Amino acid sequence: AQKITQTQPGMFVQEKEAVTLDCTYDTSDQSYGLFWYKQPSSGEMIFLIYQGSYDEQNATEGRYSLNFQKARKSANLVISASQLGDSAMYFCAMRDDDTGGFKTIFGAGTRLFVKA
Amino acid sequence: DSGVTQTPKHLITATGQRVTLRCSPRSGDLSVYWYQQSLDQGLQFLIQYYNGEERAKGNILERFSAQQFPDLHSELNLSSLELGDSALYFCASSVAGSGGTDTQYFGPGTRLTVL
Repeated sequence: AQKITQTQPGMFVQEKEAVTLDCTYDTSDQSYGLFWYKQPSSGEMIFLIYQGSYDEQNATEGRYSLNFQKARKSANLVISASQLGDSAMYFCAMRDDDTGGFKTIFGAGTRLFVKA
Repeated sequence: DSGVTQTPKHLITATGQRVTLRCSPRSGDLSVYWYQQSLDQGLQFLIQYYNGEERAKGNILERFSAQQFPDLHSELNLSSLELGDSALYFCASSVAGSGGTDTQYFGPGTRLTVL
């Protein structure tokens, strides 16, 4: 069965430092997509980055990069040069097409606190 | 701003009542998804529509129903409401119904409080 695991309920990072948020997944499908979303205290869900299962390069979007290790089934989010505005809840998500539709499952999330 | 709109932003109602949540997808997106976010269950996928037709179903209760109209907006109907239905309900949209590098963009959510 599909599963997303985020083992870090909360993380602290000093401003301007890099931080890695862990995500492991489980699927029997060969074709799937991995996503990270940010949810600030205001509540909206903001798309950050996407990685396809067949992508050979790790995805990057500005200060966000995804450390994709397919054999280990991990898709960790790396935030470089943390800013106070990065304090939020971060969700890892996976979508696969085994049913012909987009059933997306989300992890429990990691709350990131950026310290000044 | 993701381009996905949801109304209302907040909704307070009583147990046993029925409410309708509305979502307009981003321009050009054909798929609409509904999610429920509660403290104890996390973010749960409810249902997906693609170009007016149901495409995938998640953990949606029988008391809940949804539809997508010809103009692609979608409504989520919640009936016989219970206290446990209090949650943040998100709508998301994407271009495709399956395959490809399809990314879901979320609306701001509707916070439902059942008293």
